[in-house]
Amino acid sequence: GQNIDQPTEMTATEGAIVQINCTYQTSGFNGLFWYQQHAGEAPTFLSYNVLDGLEEKGRFSSFLSRSKGYSYLLLKELQMKDSASYLCAHSIYYGGSQGNLIFGKGTKLSVKP
Amino acid sequence: EPEVTQTPSHQVTQMGQEVILRCVPISNHLYFYWYRQILGQKVEFLVSFYNNEISEKSEIFDDQFSVERPDGSNFTLKIRSTKLEDSAMYFCASTRAIQETQYFGPGTRLLVL
Repeated sequence: GQNIDQPTEMTATEGAIVQINCTYQTSGFNGLFWYQQHAGEAPTFLSYNVLDGLEEKGRFSSFLSRSKGYSYLLLKELQMKDSASYLCAHSIYYGGSQGNLIFGKGTKLSVKP
Repeated sequence: EPEVTQTPSHQVTQMGQEVILRCVPISNHLYFYWYRQILGQKVEFLVSFYNNEISEKSEIFDDQFSVERPDGSNFTLKIRSTKLEDSAMYFCASTRAIQETQYFGPGTRLLVL
């Protein structure tokens, strides 16, 4: 089956660094995505890993270990506007699946001054 | 920058009524998806669509749901006889290729009374 686990909530301080972890179990793995979602809005793409290792994109980095079924999103120099939910999702591609995303429940990050 | 658009942004309907949610995917994208998010819950896959036919559908996508690409730009989700539990945010997404990022539209908030 498909399963994704991530912490429900996290709190961090403006200017700090925060790491949001995600573990998953799946077959037919085709990539790990991180999306940001502000309340009442659509998910917006942050980062994508298909191979093991670290992908860096400005203040955001994402890491993947396929053997461990583990990923994390690292946010540096936190800003108040980073307060949002962060969604971990994996893409599956097997048995006719066309890359549909399976999402975790999201981690609600609160950034405090 | 091209983006996915959706109409209407909000829809209120009576239980048992039919609703049609509309999406215009990014123009050079080939794969289209519908997801839904019940308030406070995770984003859930409904259906994927490629080459003018459904590629895959989830257990949620029962006989009350249908999708259509009536012309070269629009992609619609129809719910034939709405139920209270259909109240949710419905997101359309599109991508150029399975291995690439899915971009989400702003969503339609559906409320069934």
